[in-house]
Amino acid sequence: AQRVTQPEKLLSVFKGAPVELKCNYSYSGSPELFWYVQYSRQRLQLLLRHISRESIKGFTADLNKGETSFHLKKPFAQEEDSAMYYCALKRYMNNNAGNMLTFGGGTRLMVKP
Amino acid sequence: DVKVTQSSRYLVKRTGEKVFLECVQDMDHENMFWYRQDPGLGLRLIYFSYDVKMKEKGDIPEGYSVSREKKERFSLILESASTNQTSMYLCASSSPRSVYEQYFGPGTRLTVT
Repeated sequence: AQRVTQPEKLLSVFKGAPVELKCNYSYSGSPELFWYVQYSRQRLQLLLRHISRESIKGFTADLNKGETSFHLKKPFAQEEDSAMYYCALKRYMNNNAGNMLTFGGGTRLMVKP
Repeated sequence: DVKVTQSSRYLVKRTGEKVFLECVQDMDHENMFWYRQDPGLGLRLIYFSYDVKMKEKGDIPEGYSVSREKKERFSLILESASTNQTSMYLCASSSPRSVYEQYFGPGTRLTVT
């Protein structure tokens, strides 16, 4: 089964503290994973994808196939990082309709001053 | 600036009513999606379309139908609204070459009483 699990519904940290948003997946093929973010009163948008190995807004995420994880990390959280974060897995639809995304349940990050 | 628009931000309907949610994108994308967003459950795919008049069921299609008569417009229909369909509905679009980068609309918060 193709599944994405984000074990924490809410993560609260102080400004300047490190933050790690957890994401675990189950997928039988070669996984492609992404992080999406939704700031207050804004649309859901792509934050980063594992294949590009980029750092966006100070966030990085490494795909660990052994642990089937794709945790999102930032060394020093900022108040403007407060948002809802979703981990997503690219999956192939069995009916040949193409590739889709499966989203996790989301983690709300609150960065306190 | 890419745009996905949804016909209503807030909608209140009565049980048993037929409900139409409209989504329009101006990016000439082939793929369009309807999700519902619920706390703790994340985004769940209801239906998607990869071309005009083409549609495929997602993970939770029961109680919903869709229509795509034009490339830019994708409609979600609740034939007979029920209280368990109270939710935030998100529309998205993407190019088939980069299905992972989905562009989302602002959402429609539907309340069924």
